[in-house]
Amino acid sequence: EAQVTQNPRYLITVTGKKLTVTCSQNMNHEYMSWYRQDPGLGLRQIYYSMNVEVTDKGDVPEGYKVSRKEKRNFPLILESPSPNQTSLYFCASKATGTSGYNEQFFGPGTRLTVL
Amino acid sequence: AQKVTQAQTEISVVEKEDVTLDCVYETRDTTYYLFWYKQPPSGELVFLIRRNSFDEQNEISGRYSWNFQKSTSSFNFTITASQVVDSAVYFCALSEAGGTSYGKLTFGQGTILTVHP
Repeated sequence: EAQVTQNPRYLITVTGKKLTVTCSQNMNHEYMSWYRQDPGLGLRQIYYSMNVEVTDKGDVPEGYKVSRKEKRNFPLILESPSPNQTSLYFCASKATGTSGYNEQFFGPGTRLTVL
Repeated sequence: AQKVTQAQTEISVVEKEDVTLDCVYETRDTTYYLFWYKQPPSGELVFLIRRNSFDEQNEISGRYSWNFQKSTSSFNFTITASQVVDSAVYFCALSEAGGTSYGKLTFGQGTILTVHP
């Protein structure tokens, strides 16, 4: 089954304790990205990756890091989480191509609470 | 810069009523794509429809219909004869075809729809 998986699905942590949210897709997609969802703000892009070893900032990258060492994985790293990073996080992937826009597939979401 | 506005924060209707969710967008690109997603209480994002900027035909899928009007930069979503299962947050989103925005979805703030029995 084609899917994007995220782990963990739920996480409660404390300020300053480094954490990683994993994201993996099995569709051989080149493009992957992370979004955060906050009430009244919709979803906003944090980082994206066009392919292996190619990453770039989205609209709200402060406090986050990413890496893309393998095509299927795109982990989101919070080196020193703060309460304002409490949010619902989504990973997404899509194929790149020249024939129009390909559908973006979303993971199930990770609900993060930073105390 | 691209922008999507969903002015209706919350809508409450009674079952079987028709409801329209508004979406207005801004972009400088001539080629772009518009989307609607549904987020039920379980939290996942469910893709509903995609439209490209060159296709202004309205679309109907069962009780759902979409009205795309480039002249007013709007992409509105209507649910006919609403049901309790339609209760969810609905997001409108825009993606530009190229440049540094490639692949990025710009989402509206979302509209919370509650359908009462």
